[in-house]
Amino acid sequence: DAKTTQPPSMDCAEGRAANLPCNHSTISGNEYVYWYRQIHSQGPQYIIHGLKNNETNEMASLIITEDRKSSTLILPHATLRDTAVYYCIVRAYTQGGSEKLVFGKGTKLTVNP
Amino acid sequence: KAGVTQTPRYLIKTRGQQVTLSCSPISGHRSVSWYQQTPGQGLQFLFEYFSETQRNKGNFPGRFSGRQFSNSRSEMNVSTLELGDSALYLCASSLDLAGAYEQYFGPGTRLTVT
Repeated sequence: DAKTTQPPSMDCAEGRAANLPCNHSTISGNEYVYWYRQIHSQGPQYIIHGLKNNETNEMASLIITEDRKSSTLILPHATLRDTAVYYCIVRAYTQGGSEKLVFGKGTKLTVNP
Repeated sequence: KAGVTQTPRYLIKTRGQQVTLSCSPISGHRSVSWYQQTPGQGLQFLFEYFSETQRNKGNFPGRFSGRQFSNSRSEMNVSTLELGDSALYLCASSLDLAGAYEQYFGPGTRLTVT
């Protein structure tokens, strides 16, 4: 079962920041928070991941609360092409191990013109 | 660098038949995972291969099997197809075992069983 809870849908105006929340209250110390998105009929796309500290890359920023029980994915300037289902996943980072991705229902983000 | 490629992209089969799907990972990636996506169940993990060995397996019947070749390319096979096997089958590759590295997905194979 997925270890995360996300709102089923969100709307955002084009050009504004999209803030997607995720609750992962049972996260373990060795589990990372990963974000993927899936644009209609395409394979999921990796966005970002983090453990404790906030992370930023060319696509998005990830803000993780100090207790690590929740996080927020931020798309700073959403465009129509960011309309997709966004998945928040927690998984262990095990060097040499094998940890499958468990996808929940995700959040359907619709960016409106 | 080319992404993950999957062939064929679309497939129509009849109940009882078998099907083989192919996945070519990103060059240099050694791990390949397979997922099934349906409207009802969402994305579900099938199995992961690394160094030609199955390293992890999801909760699917034995009709679903796979293998990986020495060049990291992978195939999955579904025997005795059922209507419920209609789905988008996604392959994902990662540099090393998927627990340590992010996965990159292919476009998927859309399988329709009639």
